[in-house]
Amino acid sequence: KQEVTQIPAALSVPEGENLVLNCSFTDSAIYNLQWFRQDPGKGLTSLLLIQSSQREQTSGRLNASLDKSSGRSTLYIAASQPGDSATYLCAVLYSGGGADGLTFGKGTHLIIQP
Amino acid sequence: NAGVTQTPKFQVLKTGQSMTLQCAQDMNHNSMYWYRQDPGMGLRLIYYSASEGTTDKGEVPNGYNVSRLNKREFSLRLESAAPSQTSVYFCASPKWGTSGEGTYNEQFFGPGTRLTVL
Repeated sequence: KQEVTQIPAALSVPEGENLVLNCSFTDSAIYNLQWFRQDPGKGLTSLLLIQSSQREQTSGRLNASLDKSSGRSTLYIAASQPGDSATYLCAVLYSGGGADGLTFGKGTHLIIQP
Repeated sequence: NAGVTQTPKFQVLKTGQSMTLQCAQDMNHNSMYWYRQDPGMGLRLIYYSASEGTTDKGEVPNGYNVSRLNKREFSLRLESAAPSQTSVYFCASPKWGTSGEGTYNEQFFGPGTRLTVL
């Protein structure tokens, strides 16, 4: 069974710092990995999607990397801002058969201090 | 385009009551999914529908039924609600595509329904 782990579970940093969120998964048979942002009491907003053969994707101050062979992904946030405060979720879509849905990590709760 | 919409946003039920959560998407996607989100558990797949007229169980289907009414709508029904079904329910609709990098599935989520069962 595919399992996704996110480290750290929570992170608090001063505004302006660059930071890295980590995600690991147990089975490399994936279509893609998706990073989401979730604000309190809200739904999930897709940030970046990395296909299994890609190494990284970038959007503005966000950069996500994927190392499928080691089962790891990182989300790099440059020059963090208080508006980046949210929970960040990592999810993979398993390509090895079975139920057709994303497997999620439990998230990293990020606080950017003004 | 509204994307994925869900109704209601909030609901409180008593144990044993029934209700249906509604989901609709206007992206013309074939697939639709229902997830639940619980503290400390993350999001888990309840049921999914790969196309109109088909439904399949996910990781946690017990206590739920689904109906894929048409291509746009996918409903989740609780026949006899239990306190263990207190959760936030999300509907998602993925876009399946292909690129030079292969096949991908990008999922778009609705705003969620916050359900409390007393």
